[in-house]
Amino acid sequence: EAQVTQNPRYLITVTGKKLTVTCSQNMNHEYMSWYRQDPGLGLRQIYYSMNVEVTDKGDVPEGYKVSRKEKRNFPLILESPSPNQTSLYFCASSPSDRNIQYFGAGTRLSVL
Amino acid sequence: QKEVEQNSGPLSVPEGAIASLNCTYSDRGSQSFFWYRQYSGKSPELIMSIYSNGDKEDGRFTAQLNKASQYVSLLIRDSQPSDSATYLCAVNETPLSYQLIWGAGTKLIIKP
Repeated sequence: EAQVTQNPRYLITVTGKKLTVTCSQNMNHEYMSWYRQDPGLGLRQIYYSMNVEVTDKGDVPEGYKVSRKEKRNFPLILESPSPNQTSLYFCASSPSDRNIQYFGAGTRLSVL
Repeated sequence: QKEVEQNSGPLSVPEGAIASLNCTYSDRGSQSFFWYRQYSGKSPELIMSIYSNGDKEDGRFTAQLNKASQYVSLLIRDSQPSDSATYLCAVNETPLSYQLIWGAGTKLIIKP
C-alpha cells in the first residue's frame, strides 16, 4: 500500500529534550515536506526537500532540523524543544511529475 | 507576502443542499489550485485539483477557477453528513515549484 508513515503518532516530552519524528514514504517520491498545524493558522511549512541531500527552509524553520540521506526518509529533529513547538505535525511527499501532496497521519507533539 | 484567504466558518448547510466554499489568492501568477479535505484530527486528503479557468467536476464535487478575479471555489452537491470537515485551499505558484501556499481552511457542517 502506498503511504507516508510518521512515527510516533503522539509524543509528550519536556523542554530541552532532543527528539526526532520519523517520516518514510514508499512511493519513490522526490519531494518531501514537513508542516505544522496550529488552530486558526492552517498548515505552515517547516522544511522541504527536493531530493536526496537537498533540503531548504520553509516558512517556520526556527528550532527544527531535517536531513535527507535516503530518498524514502525525511526525519524532523527538534534539538531543544520548547513549549511553543507544541503542535500537530504532518509529513508529506509528492512525485516529481505532479504537484499533489500525500500526507502522513500526523504526529501530535506536546512540549511541557 | 503571498496569501490564500478562506472564510474560517463554520459554514452550516442542510443535508442534501449545495455547499459552496470559496478561496481567494493574492499571487496573480499562480498556476495550480487544490482543495483538500481534513477531518478533525486526521491528515489532509486531496479531493480536487484545477489548473485552468472554468469548472471541473468529479462526482458530487465541482471546482471553479477564475484567474481574472483570483478566486477558486468548491461546490459540493447533495451534501452528506460525512462531508462535514475542514476544507483547505492550496495554491501553487509555478508549475516547476512544489511549494504550496495554504489557506487556513473553512469548517463545513452538514446538518441532518
